[in-house]
Amino acid sequence: GESVGLHLPTLSVQEGDNSIINCAYSNSASDYFIWYKQESGKGPQFIIDIRSNMDKRQGQRVTVLLNKTVKHLSLQIAATQPGDSAVYFCAENIRGAQKLVFGQGTRLTINP
Amino acid sequence: DTGVSQDPRHKITKRGQNVTFRCDPISEHNRLYWYRQTLGQGPEFLTYFQNEAQLEKSRLLSDRFSAERPKGSFSTLEIQRTEQGDSAMYLCASSFLGEQPQHFGDGTRLSIL
Repeated sequence: GESVGLHLPTLSVQEGDNSIINCAYSNSASDYFIWYKQESGKGPQFIIDIRSNMDKRQGQRVTVLLNKTVKHLSLQIAATQPGDSAVYFCAENIRGAQKLVFGQGTRLTINP
Repeated sequence: DTGVSQDPRHKITKRGQNVTFRCDPISEHNRLYWYRQTLGQGPEFLTYFQNEAQLEKSRLLSDRFSAERPKGSFSTLEIQRTEQGDSAMYLCASSFLGEQPQHFGDGTRLSIL
């Protein structure tokens, strides 16, 4: 079936540390992936995307890694800040479809 | 602000009433999407438009739901005869054609009394 899941529902890290949020997907036909950040009372905010012909993509303080062999996606956030506290979702787009399939999300808490 | 705009932000209504939500996408975007999100879950796809054409509807979109995008710009989502199970956050997103990121509004939170 179509599913996007997350290994950990919650993640707590110290301010300044790096964090890694993981995501597993099951549809081998997925060819485009996006990470979103959602703060309380707001809509999902685009962070970074990656296409299936890439293994890694870097943004400002964020890196997304894609391992198609094991259908695994991760988001690395460097030098976490209090403003990084939020729920993070990975989403996949299945080739030929025009909708995103989201997982349940991981709540990231940054401790001072 | 040139992001996706949704109105109202909150809607409280009695069961059985009709409600309508509005979404104004990013102006250059051809595609407009509606999603529904319940507490603790990720957004679930409802429907999408390419310009004014509604090209796909999820099976989540019962006959009580209807969406329009009459001029290919803003869109409305109407729910008729609301039920308790309709309580959720309704999110709108827009994007360019092709594999481009969808950008979301802050949603309309619907509460059914």
